[in-house]
Amino acid sequence: DIVMTQSPDSLAVSLGERATINCKSSQSVLSSSNNKNFLAWYQQKPGQPPKLLIYWASTRESGVPDRFSGSGSGTDFTLTISSLQAEDVAVYYCQHYYSTPVAFGQGTKVAIK
Amino acid sequence: QVQLVQSGAEVKKPGASVKVSCKASGYTFTGYYIHWVRQAPGQGLEWMGWINPNSGDTKYAQKFQGRVTMTRDTSISTVYMELSRLRSDDTAVYYCARVDYDSSGYYMGFGYWGQGTLVTVSS
Repeated sequence: DIVMTQSPDSLAVSLGERATINCKSSQSVLSSSNNKNFLAWYQQKPGQPPKLLIYWASTRESGVPDRFSGSGSGTDFTLTISSLQAEDVAVYYCQHYYSTPVAFGQGTKVAIK
Repeated sequence: QVQLVQSGAEVKKPGASVKVSCKASGYTFTGYYIHWVRQAPGQGLEWMGWINPNSGDTKYAQKFQGRVTMTRDTSISTVYMELSRLRSDDTAVYYCARVDYDSSGYYMGFGYWGQGTLVTVSS
């Protein structure tokens, strides 16, 4: 089974500053059939279900602000919020969907400094 | 618009079973797999399994094998997740989520989620 590990567990960033979250998979999630990484990022606010932000490691879901970006390939991935806004306070999860069982990282809590 | 509407909160005693429903609307029900994910209080997301609403085929996480059953009723566009022999550590919010695919059939992640169903297990 593929294990997902995020870092850090939490971070505090000033408004307008950059936030960076890392995610590492225990095996590559790069598909040879379509050359895409089967890696997604989700945002979860209190009392709400997760919301898909990024899929295929770097493709923004429709309607997601362009301050959110994803990068990486193989086993190492990054979610970047280029200019943190108050509404971005949330927990962020990476997820692989390369194989069954799918798995999530443990989550990274983003707060305002 | 795509919607997944789940059943209401449940309180169960240890050893009992719970069955949570997830009613889909706004798309072709049989065209998209549904996954179940749970979240214990203050904890992260835990994948439980999936069901293919077209065939009824299922795949469960090893942790839940023998205790979880996912079914569907195509006549009312609803999937169900039943968890038996409940324990206190099964207390969690249970979510159903629909996968998205690109035009070639490759997964794009879980694009739609139900609102969640809180299951509390307490004596």
